[in-house]
Amino acid sequence: SYELTQPPSVSVSPGQTARITCSGDALAKKYAYWYQKKPGQAPVLVIYEDRKRPSGVPERFSGSSGTMATLTISGAQVEDEADYYCCSTDSSGNPVFGTGTKVTVL
Amino acid sequence: QVQLQQSGPGLVKPSQTLSLTCGISGDSVSRNNVAWNWIRHSPSGGLEWLGRTLYRSKWIYDYAASVKGRITINPDTSRNQFSLQLDSVTPEDTAVYYCARSLYGMDVWGQGTTVIVSS
Repeated sequence: SYELTQPPSVSVSPGQTARITCSGDALAKKYAYWYQKKPGQAPVLVIYEDRKRPSGVPERFSGSSGTMATLTISGAQVEDEADYYCCSTDSSGNPVFGTGTKVTVL
Repeated sequence: QVQLQQSGPGLVKPSQTLSLTCGISGDSVSRNNVAWNWIRHSPSGGLEWLGRTLYRSKWIYDYAASVKGRITINPDTSRNQFSLQLDSVTPEDTAVYYCARSLYGMDVWGQGTTVIVSS
């Protein structure tokens, strides 16, 4: 089965830049999506199609792609503390979520 | 503004069937090329996509290999909703279950339903 691997955790101070990577064999050919998940809340889409930002998502969130997808939070805020999941598609076109990264801002 | 409202029991006995419904407002379950998904978040960690249905001149159903054979997702056009049935549940199916729309990524989510599998 297709796997997307993320670092378990990333820690930054407020105002610093957090980068979360997502690696998978087919990422160079498939779109990546990023979701923010806070405890007790539904996930929120923060990046779609590698680098596009949905309406309402702060500009400090950005995405890049290549052989690895990356979510960057430029000038991280305390409210950005959450789990982040990348998502792409397998050979059947079905969604697959990454392993998840816990971002700590302190 | 599109909203998804989930309903269904929060406690299911082992070997029985988990059934949840996702009501849609502000969009249509039969809108062409829009997928309606079920995802779960288990206590052990991550998000797991379970399956989806979408209408593309006919109804299409896709299921994750991990639950294939136990899962059924059904659209209900008369009530503008879709449902999840997961058969033969075990304690490993204990999770928070979410429904979500895929237009460009999963852009709208339901509020989540905590389902505990226990006798």
